[in-house]
Amino acid sequence: SQQGEEDPQALSIQEGENATMNCSYKTSINNLQWYRQNSGRGLVHLILIRSNEREKHSGRLRVTLDTSKKSSSLLITASRAADTASYFCATDPKETSGTYKYIFGTGTRLKVLA
Amino acid sequence: NAGVTQTPKFQVLKTGQSMTLQCAQDMNHNSMYWYRQDPGMGLRLIYYSASEGTTDKGEVPNGYNVSRLNKREFSLRLESAAPSQTSVYFCASTNGPLAKNIQYFGAGTRLSVL
Repeated sequence: SQQGEEDPQALSIQEGENATMNCSYKTSINNLQWYRQNSGRGLVHLILIRSNEREKHSGRLRVTLDTSKKSSSLLITASRAADTASYFCATDPKETSGTYKYIFGTGTRLKVLA
Repeated sequence: NAGVTQTPKFQVLKTGQSMTLQCAQDMNHNSMYWYRQDPGMGLRLIYYSASEGTTDKGEVPNGYNVSRLNKREFSLRLESAAPSQTSVYFCASTNGPLAKNIQYFGAGTRLSVL
């Protein structure tokens, strides 16, 4: 079964606004990653946060991790039309450590309106 | 630098036909993966190969076989295609910590089974 569930399933915002999407997972993890998928393309890695980290930044991206709640959030600040894509969280469960069998969530479809 | 290359990009099969999806990576990664992506389901792992010479089942292996031909290539075979196998298939590779735990994805193969 899926490890990650993302919320919301779809999000539509105006250019310049911030976009927040959330990921919940079920079991203990080594790390959690966020990937982006443009329409018709493969997934591209955005950012990784380790289980002992609480917050991480990369450019306009801010990721938080709450291991007690088994949840993570991805914030995209000052969104642009080019940010329109689907965003997936992926977890590396401790129970399968060493196999790098990341489990992907169901994704959030983000649409940024110009 | 090609990264992960999948062929073909599109394929239409009739029920019962067989085909092999090809995947090759040029990043000298040890681990390779096959996923399928269906609407609302995120990515689900079909099979993976932690290293050359080994393969293991993922979440949804039924109806598929794989071959890790060498370190570069990992193929996915549908012996008798069924309409339920209509999906987008992605190949990915990683070297775990040596690749910053990032999975690199191909562009996908869009398969329709009639």
